[in-house]
Amino acid sequence: KTQVEQSPQSLVVRQGENCVLQCNYSVTPDNHLRWFKQDTGKGLVSLTVLVDQKDKTSNGRYSATLDKDAKHSTLHITATLLDDTATYICVVGDRGSALGRLHFGAGTQLIVIP
Amino acid sequence: EAAVTQSPRNKVTVTGGNVTLSCRQTNSHNYMYWYRQDTGHGLRLIHYSYGAGNLQIGDVPDGYKATRTTQEDFFLLLELASPSQTSLYFCASSEGRNYAEQFFGPGTRLTVL
Repeated sequence: KTQVEQSPQSLVVRQGENCVLQCNYSVTPDNHLRWFKQDTGKGLVSLTVLVDQKDKTSNGRYSATLDKDAKHSTLHITATLLDDTATYICVVGDRGSALGRLHFGAGTQLIVIP
Repeated sequence: EAAVTQSPRNKVTVTGGNVTLSCRQTNSHNYMYWYRQDTGHGLRLIHYSYGAGNLQIGDVPDGYKATRTTQEDFFLLLELASPSQTSLYFCASSEGRNYAEQFFGPGTRLTVL
């Protein structure tokens, strides 16, 4: 059973618009949550990690929230650029240490058009 | 900067063929991982290791072997490849500390005909 669900599956926005990506999960325990960006044909690159029960992070035009009570996270991208075209993957870690398992979502494919 | 490299980047083989995928990291990380990525699925862990000579079974290990020869090098072996193993394979490395980020290689696309 899929434990990390991302929505929407795909999204098209115009350059300059904002967008919000959603991640719902059922992983227990939920130690931390990380968002990755995956450019086509390339590996995953970390954008941010959220750890606290109710957490917020900001990394340039990317900001993220986590609510562990709701088992829900969002990734906001402000003023999108063409280079933001990629797949964004939500990953939930069930432990803080490297011995824990990572549970990967299938990703949201974002396409930014001129 | 952290660096994880994989070779080959693309590989085509036939059913029953023997394939070795290579991964090298220059991060001095103890932990290394092999994942497969299939359309509509999240990455799935095949095998991982926390040091030279150590191997741990992941979530989808059937049909795969792995060897960690040094801290830097981790290999994934498919001894009798099957079409169901057609996939995009990623290697990653990480430190052992809490919330340590996994650094991913560029991936190897394997096609089994």
